[in-house]
Amino acid sequence: AQKVTQAQTEISVVEKEDVTLDCVYETRDTTYYLFWYKQPPSGELVFLIRRNSFDEQNEISGRYSWNFQKSTSSFNFTITASQVVDSAVYFCALSEAQYSSASKIIFGSGTRLSIRP
Amino acid sequence: DAGVIQSPRHEVTEMGQEVTLRCKPISGHNSLFWYRQTMMRGLELLIYFNNNVPIDDSGMPEDRFSAKMPNASFSTLKIQPSEPRDSAVYFCASSWGQSSGELFFGEGSRLTVL
Repeated sequence: AQKVTQAQTEISVVEKEDVTLDCVYETRDTTYYLFWYKQPPSGELVFLIRRNSFDEQNEISGRYSWNFQKSTSSFNFTITASQVVDSAVYFCALSEAQYSSASKIIFGSGTRLSIRP
Repeated sequence: DAGVIQSPRHEVTEMGQEVTLRCKPISGHNSLFWYRQTMMRGLELLIYFNNNVPIDDSGMPEDRFSAKMPNASFSTLKIQPSEPRDSAVYFCASSWGQSSGELFFGEGSRLTVL
């Protein structure tokens, strides 16, 4: 069975600090996708990144970076020089990869990140 | 382009009443998902459809919940009869199957059952 664990329920840091959100996953699939979504206080869910299980290259997008390690089944998310606008709940998610149709996407329990001015 | 449209945004009802939540996916998307979000259980997948066909409804809590997708542009999630423990935010999301799962979420329907 697939499972996503976000052990950090809440994190609070001061603005401009770096912060890493942990994500550990379990799956028996050899091909799968990992995701991060952001849910700001307004409530909508916003897609941040998708990573294919065959691609372990780390990715950087501005202040955001993602570290995917199959050896430890982890897909961690780091925000560099955090800002108040980064305050949100962040969800890690996992799905089996299928070419012709979507498959179920399982979400972790989320990490509530608070950035203090 | 319009995103995923859900209605109603807010619903307050009394226990025992029927509740119908509606979703219009993004045009061209062929997969639709219903999720429920609560503080206690987080984001739970209730059911998802591919090409209007229900693929996995194992997350539907019980027989009081039903979902339909009569065509590619419309889906409903019905709760009959509703109970206070059904109070949650219900999200609809759609995706294009060959994009490998990136979901586009609606703004959610906040349901309160008194």
